[in-house]
Parts: sequence; C-alpha cells; structure tokens
Amino acid sequence: DQQVKQNSPSLSVQEGRISILNCDYTNSMFDYFLWYKKYPAEGPTFLISISSIKDKNEDGRFTVFLNKSAKHLSLHIVPSQPGDSAVYFCAARGSSNTGKLIFGQGTTLQVKP
Amino acid sequence: DSGVTQTPKHLITATGQRVTLRCSPRSGDLSVYWYQQSLDQGLQFLIQYYNGEERAKGNILERFSAQQFPDLHSELNLSSLELGDSALYFCASSPLNRGRAFFGQGTRLTVV
Repeated sequence: DQQVKQNSPSLSVQEGRISILNCDYTNSMFDYFLWYKKYPAEGPTFLISISSIKDKNEDGRFTVFLNKSAKHLSLHIVPSQPGDSAVYFCAARGSSNTGKLIFGQGTTLQVKP
Repeated sequence: DSGVTQTPKHLITATGQRVTLRCSPRSGDLSVYWYQQSLDQGLQFLIQYYNGEERAKGNILERFSAQQFPDLHSELNLSSLELGDSALYFCASSPLNRGRAFFGQGTRLTVV
C-alpha cells in the first residue's frame, strides 16, 4: 500500500525555468509534509516542509503547495539551477505520537545548463 | 554534514551472515530512525527509538533488530542475511519524538 506516491520518476528542465515536482498521498491523517533532496552517495537533506494547516510555504527559490482536498502537494523551484539536479523525495508524517516518515519513490530532476 | 554519523559506509558480506550497522545521532538528539532504501525505491521506515525506548515499528523483518544505548547511539542488527537485504540503510535523528529528521550518509550493504 503506497500511501505517498511520486508518479514521475524523472523530470528534465532548462536552467532558469521552473521545476514542478508532484506528490500524491492517500492518508488524510497525515499532518506534516516534507521534501528532501538527495545527491548520489549522500543521505537525504531536508529542503522544505509544510504543515497540514497551511496551503503554501516558501523558502527562497523553493515553494511547497498543499491541496488537502486533492491530497496533493507540489514543490516549485524557481529559477532552476544545474546544482538542483538530484533525487527529490516527498515524505509525510502521520498524526500519531511518532516521527515516522512515509516516503515517496522519488523524482530525479535534471536541470540542463 | 548533517551531524549524523553512520559506520561502516560500505559492507559486503555473504548470505547467512550477521552484520551490525552503527549510528551516532546529532548531539542532543533523542530520536533515532532507521530506513531501508532498496534499488530504485523510496525509503522504507524500519524502526524508531526515542531516548532508549522503541517508539514506532515499520515493516521490519524478524531477522532484523535494533537498539538505542544510554549514550543515544543506535545499532541495527541484520541476521541470516539474504540477497534481497542488499540495500542502503539510513539512520536519521531528531531532537524530540517528532520533528525534522536529519539523515546520515547511509551504509551500503551488499549481500553476495
């Protein structure tokens, strides 16, 4: 049962353009969502998060949008830079008394110069 | 550098063997999490410890076990290893029971 899904395994964009990474979830009890970035041979690095009581959170070039009715979130990167090329994981946390995260399968982003 | 240290970075072992993966959390973090990432898969939650006590369990195999010691470092023990156990094993830590998790660089386990 895949509770968090990233349906696009890969995405390629031109430098300077917008990158939009998508994530769908099925569990309405999730109360917190995170995006992690992962380079090869490194562990995932926290990028940005959003609480379920908000619909948007912005941090520099990164913005996360949450649509609870559609159970959908997206990460926008504007403008995209070649250094953003990495695997991006969407993760969700349930409202139970634990920090356990449920991850999507990841989307590989390639930003072309 | 996340501050989470995992050793060893690479491990190659034979089927049927037992290995121990070690994790040192960030200074002051009380929670430790273990995740498994198999080829082209997302990270699968295995287990969480908080201040020495098991807090949450995922789809962790009975052949796997973990513990968190008084100094808060954690070990993941994998026994009777099978080829399918080959994966990246990540440890993460967070200050409290919940909150943003910081990941180590992972241990790549190869079972031959």
